[in-house]
Amino acid sequence: DIQMTQSPSSLSASVGDRVTITCRASQGIANYLAWYQQKPGKVPKLLIYTASTLQSGVPSRFSGSGFGTDFTLTISSLQPEDVATYYCQKYNSAPWTFGQGTKVEIK
Amino acid sequence: QLVQSGAEVKKPGASVKVSCKASGYTFSTYDISWVRQAPGQGLEWMGWIRNYNGNTNYAQKFQGRVTMTTDSSTSTAYMELTNLRSDDTAVYFCARVFVSLCDYWGQGTLVTVSS
Repeated sequence: DIQMTQSPSSLSASVGDRVTITCRASQGIANYLAWYQQKPGKVPKLLIYTASTLQSGVPSRFSGSGFGTDFTLTISSLQPEDVATYYCQKYNSAPWTFGQGTKVEIK
Repeated sequence: QLVQSGAEVKKPGASVKVSCKASGYTFSTYDISWVRQAPGQGLEWMGWIRNYNGNTNYAQKFQGRVTMTTDSSTSTAYMELTNLRSDDTAVYFCARVFVSLCDYWGQGTLVTVSS
């Protein structure tokens, strides 16, 4: 099975900072990569799919990029409401494996 | 909206069946996936069921222990996990699947396995 590895596992940044999270697939998955946001105590929420397409209603400060094996999620200007754990997920074929998550906190 | 059944406490070796009732959309048009999250841990994909024909695809880790079904008459999906162990203690989520994406999630069901 294809493994998904995120880095870093956690980060702390100031409000207004640019934040980048990376996700690497152990084999190529084209652009079948999604990002989910899970706020503390809440249900996961789909943020981005096909590596770079924002789900409806997601703020434009979120963006995604990548193809093949290397992907990034960028928050252009970190806001207090962005405190959450972010997960990547491959969905080119089953199993739809998640990365281990990246916890984002405010410094 | 996906509304899941309530929390469960089970003994090791027992089975649990979690339900997920859908509303607000045509149930048969979308598939359902199940994801779990152990306390303080990340998301773990368990599998998915194709609503139109009942075909399932389970993560290898759960093969032989998990069964996913749907009942279109009540717009409800079910996930049954057997031979429970302590490390099955987790919150179990159902999610609506749209082109292999989990676009809406249930609120989660805590399953605690303890002797």
